[in-house]
Amino acid sequence: DQQVKQNSPSLSVQEGRISILNCDYTNSMFDYFLWYKKYPAEGPTFLISISSIKDKNEDGRFTVFLNKSAKHLSLHIVPSQPGDSAVYFCAASSSGSEKLVFGKGTKLTVNP
Amino acid sequence: EAQVTQNPRYLITVTGKKLTVTCSQNMNHEYMSWYRQDPGLGLRQIYYSMNVEVTDKGDVPEGYKVSRKEKRNFPLILESPSPNQTSLYFCASSPGSGGFLFFGPGTRLTVL
Repeated sequence: DQQVKQNSPSLSVQEGRISILNCDYTNSMFDYFLWYKKYPAEGPTFLISISSIKDKNEDGRFTVFLNKSAKHLSLHIVPSQPGDSAVYFCAASSSGSEKLVFGKGTKLTVNP
Repeated sequence: EAQVTQNPRYLITVTGKKLTVTCSQNMNHEYMSWYRQDPGLGLRQIYYSMNVEVTDKGDVPEGYKVSRKEKRNFPLILESPSPNQTSLYFCASSPGSGGFLFFGPGTRLTVL
């Protein structure tokens, strides 16, 4: 049973446009959500997170939106840059647990 | 520099030949974990450790062992590797602040 789902394996956008990566979850106990970025031949690195008490968190070009009722979160990258081309993993955890449950990832390609 | 290191980075071996992938972190983190990444399956947790001498199974522990004799080290042991353990392995550690993981660079293992 996949608790964190990223239904789009890949996404291609033009440089300067908005990239929107989506993630759905099924476990209502999840209350902390993170996005990780992964370049080839490197380990995933933390990008941005959001707690369930918020519905939006912004960090520069990156914004994460959380819709608890829909159990849905999204990552917006504006404007997209070629250096943003990577695999993006959505992850979730619940209070008191260090365990992160990851989605399968979305490969973003930003074309110059 | 704060980091998680893994060795080796690449390994090709044969079925049944015991191997160990080392993992070390210099951030004094209590929590450490191993993940494997496979195409179409994302990141799946193999084992984790909440502290020294405390380890527990993740989602895909079959065929793996771990130990946590020191806080900084968390080796992954494959007693009798099989081809279905061909994968990309990541070690990660956390300060214990709600799922925020630091990942190592990865070990690409091929079992022939």
